[in-house]
Amino acid sequence: DIQMTQSPASLSASVGDRVTITCRASQSINSYLNWYQQKPGKAPILLIYAGSNLQSGVPSRFSGSGSGTDFTLTISSLQPEDFATYYCQQGYHTPYRFGQGTKLEIK
Amino acid sequence: EVQLVQSGAEVKKPGESLKISCEGSGYIFSNYWIAWVRQMPGKDLEWLGMIYPGDSSLRYSPSLQGQVTISADKSTNTAYLRWSNLEASDTAIYYCARGVLVPATPFDYWGQGTLVTVSS
Repeated sequence: DIQMTQSPASLSASVGDRVTITCRASQSINSYLNWYQQKPGKAPILLIYAGSNLQSGVPSRFSGSGSGTDFTLTISSLQPEDFATYYCQQGYHTPYRFGQGTKLEIK
Repeated sequence: EVQLVQSGAEVKKPGESLKISCEGSGYIFSNYWIAWVRQMPGKDLEWLGMIYPGDSSLRYSPSLQGQVTISADKSTNTAYLRWSNLEASDTAIYYCARGVLVPATPFDYWGQGTLVTVSS
């Protein structure tokens, strides 16, 4: 199985900050990496797919980069609605594991 | 409009069986994967498996070891997740999600979740 490790586990930031979340795969997954946002009591929402492709309807302040084993999700200027938990997920080989999540909190 | 609508919350006892459902609408159901994802209370997301309704191809997480069964009915655009012998550790929210046939198979639409509570 391919293991996914996110860092940090939690992060405090302010509105307007630039934030980066990292995801590392235990082996190369090319660019087969997706990012999701989840708010309490809600289903996840797809933000970025295949490493760097912005899902339709997602604000352009979200971006993704990376390939191989190391990936990043960047939010260029945090908005109040961005405080949530973020998950990476590999789509290279089943089982399609998720990372353990990064909780983004208001400073 | 693409929608995945899941069946309602369930309360069961250990040892009982259960089948929850996920009905797709607004798209060609047979042409996309349907995945099931578990979220235990306060925990992260866990991919359980998925089915391609077009040909009933199945993928399971090895960690499940036959604990659940995934199926789909193309005639009703509905996917199912079934347990034959529930345990307390199955208590969780279960989401279905649509998997797109592009690299990385992203899950672009999700159901609202079904809360399953297993308690004696």
